Amino acid sequence: DTEVTQTPKHLVMGMTNKKSLKCEQHMGHRAMYWYKQKAKKPPELMFVYSYEKLSINESVPSRFSPECPNSSLLNLHLHALQPEDSALYLCASSQGRGSSYNSPLHFGNGTRLTVT
Amino acid sequence: GENVEQHPSTLSVQEGDSAVIKCTYSDSASNYFPWYKQELGKRPQLIIDIRSNVGEKKDQRIAVTLNKTAKHFSLHITETQPEDSAVYFCAASGDNAGNMLTFGGGTRLMVKP
Repeated sequence: DTEVTQTPKHLVMGMTNKKSLKCEQHMGHRAMYWYKQKAKKPPELMFVYSYEKLSINESVPSRFSPECPNSSLLNLHLHALQPEDSALYLCASSQGRGSSYNSPLHFGNGTRLTVT
Repeated sequence: GENVEQHPSTLSVQEGDSAVIKCTYSDSASNYFPWYKQELGKRPQLIIDIRSNVGEKKDQRIAVTLNKTAKHFSLHITETQPEDSAVYFCAASGDNAGNMLTFGGGTRLMVKP
């Protein structure tokens, strides 16, 4: 019943594979986010798209490549990952970002990624 | 940048007791303070948030207080129930950080029946 849908739920990939994570929301939100969460740790921000433009890249390695095809969709393309990249990858959305406006994040259920 | 510290890292209470989780932040320009609950294997879910123009907010058994002068805010859960068992994250954001959330380290709350 989550409003932010992520696929797949689980993904196992080798270090030479190329895969993509997908995220979709239909709440009309104009900001979308990728977070990485390791066990027993808070979510770590990776990327932010605001009005379909990449606005923040938190020094994420180039083996992670985000894409925002439209205002409802967000992808994360994965290539040549390392075992330490194994984590829960969370997508989130919010109404928007502005200099004096903060709106709640709505998280998806995440993709549990294992890199072998 | 903003730094958010959260205490305690683990908290065990008896069912029916109250639980209090505290967070401090460093950036005086932060003006939005949400709390997220994350059950095992699930997504973080917003349970309550507070903005800097108020000092306290309540929603049934949950309340949040904010002290801007001291730069700390707290989550209070009364009459705890086993289903309150989860990891709770505080967070802060403001104009200086481009409105990006900085999360605290999390508190694992265990409510014993």
